[in-house]
Amino acid sequence: DAGVTQSPTHLIKTRGQQVTLRCSPKSGHDTVSWYQQALGQGPQFIFQYYEEEERQRGNFPDRFSGHQFPNYSSELNVNALLLGDSALYLCASSLVYGGAFLHFGNGTRLTVT
Amino acid sequence: GESVGLHLPTLSVQEGDNSIINCAYSNSASDYFIWYKQESGKGPQFIIDIRSNMDKRQGQRVTVLLNKTVKHLSLQIAATQPGDSAVYFCAEIWSGANSKLTFGKGITLSVRP
Repeated sequence: DAGVTQSPTHLIKTRGQQVTLRCSPKSGHDTVSWYQQALGQGPQFIFQYYEEEERQRGNFPDRFSGHQFPNYSSELNVNALLLGDSALYLCASSLVYGGAFLHFGNGTRLTVT
Repeated sequence: GESVGLHLPTLSVQEGDNSIINCAYSNSASDYFIWYKQESGKGPQFIIDIRSNMDKRQGQRVTVLLNKTVKHLSLQIAATQPGDSAVYFCAEIWSGANSKLTFGKGITLSVRP
């Protein structure tokens, strides 16, 4: 039973570029959440998707957007990259009625130069 | 704003000793708390959780204590092993947030052989 998988594992982009990160949830899970983890910090909630709609959003600008597909997989898009967007981006999946029991992927390390 | 914080950034313990990691939270409405372990290059891994109607919960070698009066959470690891070396995060949720975790900054546990 595959857990949460994310791709790519590492990515280097230049300021101003756009990036797309991908996530496949754990089998049987229907809800995907994205978190940003800066170096030495705890993860910060970006947004959550369920039934292909954004259900909740954290304190992140509109440059951060996402999508969920009918197979429950998800993408995180970041436009107009800033140096401060360099971080580990974590995807977590859950059952919407499973509450807070999240399964995390190993993340995508994004470096913006 | 509401936040979850940790008292100490690092903790070094001797192999075989017991470890205690402390966490303070500020949102009195939080009713569910989780401890995560994050090893280098990996996503957070669930360790143990506790609901606000409990003050203690035990797992395998781990115990979580919750003191709602002083808004304090602790994780006790018995007979600490080298494999316990990692960054530990406490996280909180209040019921209305539905999987929107608020993480603290993390504490690094280093186990000396």
